[in-house]
Amino acid sequence: AQKVTQAQTEISVVEKEDVTLDCVYETRDTTYYLFWYKQPPSGELVFLIRRNSFDEQNEISGRYSWNFQKSTSSFNFTITASQVVDSAVYFCALLHSNYQLIWGAGTKLIIKP
Amino acid sequence: DVKVTQSSRYLVKRTGEKVFLECVQDMDHENMFWYRQDPGLGLRLIYFSYDVKMKEKGDIPEGYSVSREKKERFSLILESASTNQTSMYLCASSLGGASGYTFGSGTRLTVV
Repeated sequence: AQKVTQAQTEISVVEKEDVTLDCVYETRDTTYYLFWYKQPPSGELVFLIRRNSFDEQNEISGRYSWNFQKSTSSFNFTITASQVVDSAVYFCALLHSNYQLIWGAGTKLIIKP
Repeated sequence: DVKVTQSSRYLVKRTGEKVFLECVQDMDHENMFWYRQDPGLGLRLIYFSYDVKMKEKGDIPEGYSVSREKKERFSLILESASTNQTSMYLCASSLGGASGYTFGSGTRLTVV
């Protein structure tokens, strides 16, 4: 079965703190893709990153970084020095072999000033 | 800038009305999707389409139908709106393969 679990329903931190959002996935495919999307209060889901199963290098983009570990089936997302504008719901997703996305339930991140 | 446009940001309809939610993409994408998003339930796939005049049921198709007469337009139809269809509706498109989805800004539908 294909599944994505985001165990953290809601996280609240104070601005400038680092925060990690967890994502654990299940798949029997040997080739697969993982995604992170951000949904700010405006509602539109915004693509953040795509990672394929053959590339386990960590990725850093400014204050954002992603840690992909096949051994633990995890694709965690860290925001360094969080800002109020980072407040959003973040979704992790797995691309199914039929090219549909399997979505996690999302983690609501609240950054307090 | 590539775009997925949903015709209405907010919509209020009465129970029993037939409701049309429109979605248009300008990226020449083959695949289009309709989701609904409810608190605590995440994104649930209603219908999707891989080509013109093609449609496939998602996880929760009951009470909905879709239409894709042109590649760029994918319409979601609520045949007889009910209060339990009050939700945020999100349209997305994708090129296919391993590409991600591009989303519209959503339609918040309230059925009274």
